[in-house]
Amino acid sequence: DAGVTQSPTHLIKTRGQHVTLRCSPISGHKSVSWYQQVLGQGPQFIFQYYEKEERGRGNFPDRFSARQFPNYSSELNVNALLLGDSALYLCASSFNGQLFKQGAFFGQGTRLTVV
Amino acid sequence: KNQVEQSPQSLIILEGKNCTLQCNYTVSPFSNLRWYKQDTGRGPVSLTIMTFSENTKSNGRYTATLDADTKQSSLHITASQLSDSASYICVVSVWDNAGNMLTFGGGTRLMVKP
Repeated sequence: DAGVTQSPTHLIKTRGQHVTLRCSPISGHKSVSWYQQVLGQGPQFIFQYYEKEERGRGNFPDRFSARQFPNYSSELNVNALLLGDSALYLCASSFNGQLFKQGAFFGQGTRLTVV
Repeated sequence: KNQVEQSPQSLIILEGKNCTLQCNYTVSPFSNLRWYKQDTGRGPVSLTIMTFSENTKSNGRYTATLDADTKQSSLHITASQLSDSASYICVVSVWDNAGNMLTFGGGTRLMVKP
């Protein structure tokens, strides 16, 4: 079985551009969460989606948006990129979003570099 | 503010030695606590998960302890191997009105030298 898959694995963008990151959860999982991990720090929560609806949102500006599709895959969009958006973006998959009962399985991440 | 703090920030040990990593949290309401291992540039991989009623849990050479009264957890690694070199992240699950989410510590970067 495939685990959580993210694409692309690496990406270089210029300031002001827009980026779309993609995540496919483990088969059967209906919830996807997105995290931003700046080098040397722990991941910070951005969004959680369950059954195509936003369930939670972290303290990130409106430049960050996401959506979940009927097949439970998800996209994270970031507009007007800033240098500070350079980070590893992690996607976590869980069955129903009840992370307190289950493990959250992470993808390998997308390394975004903004220049 | 919910916080998870880890110490030390970085650690260098010799292969075969033991080490203990610390995690203090102020997260409330507490659901469970996990330790993840994260290789550089990779996603975190779960090592252990503990509910508030569990005091200790082992996974091979990794043993996690939890004191819910003092809100402290530790991860003990025995007979370290070169492949243990990674960041170890303490993660606490929070159940709030938005559903629930994971609160991450900053991690401890462990380097095992031959």
